[in-house]
Amino acid sequence: KQEVTQIPAALSVPEGENLVLNCSFTDSAIYNLQWFRQDPGKGLTSLLLIQSSQREQTSGRLNASLDKSSGRSTLYIAASQPGDSATYLCAMTGGGNKLTFGTGTQLKVEL
Amino acid sequence: KAGVTQTPRYLIKTRGQQVTLSCSPISGHRSVSWYQQTPGQGLQFLFEYFSETQRNKGNFPGRFSGRQFSNSRSEMNVSTLELGDSALYLCASSRLLGNEQFFGPGTRLTVL
Repeated sequence: KQEVTQIPAALSVPEGENLVLNCSFTDSAIYNLQWFRQDPGKGLTSLLLIQSSQREQTSGRLNASLDKSSGRSTLYIAASQPGDSATYLCAMTGGGNKLTFGTGTQLKVEL
Repeated sequence: KAGVTQTPRYLIKTRGQQVTLSCSPISGHRSVSWYQQTPGQGLQFLFEYFSETQRNKGNFPGRFSGRQFSNSRSEMNVSTLELGDSALYLCASSRLLGNEQFFGPGTRLTVL
């Protein structure tokens, strides 16, 4: 059974800081890895999708990497802004579309 | 392009009642999945549908059921509601299996 852990569980940083969110998984037989953000009481917003043959993806200030051999993915956020405050979730599929979610990192970016 | 829509957005029911939630995927998407989110358990997988066929089912009791229609819209039903069914129910759609998945805003179900 796939176990997904995100560290840290919560993070508070000043505006402008670069930061790294970590996602660890136990089963390297994953197909896709997707990063999401969730604002309180809202649905999930897709940030980046890394397919199994890829090592990283970039979108604007976000960069996500995937190392299946070590069971790790990282989400790098450059020049953080207060609007980045949200819960960040990594999730993976092992085939099909069933997503197994991590425990989440609650990020607060302060002015 | 419209996103994933879910109706209703909020629902209050009492124990023992049943409820039906609806999800309309992004146009052209054929896969719909459902998730339950609670503070204690996080996001848990309920069902996965592709072209009207249930491909996968999570570890939930038989009171939880779902279906997908020929236009890819999906519904899930919960019968004999329990207090523990109070949660945010989210659906996600993708064009094909293995593609990027997009979530709707969710239906907040409260069981009294």
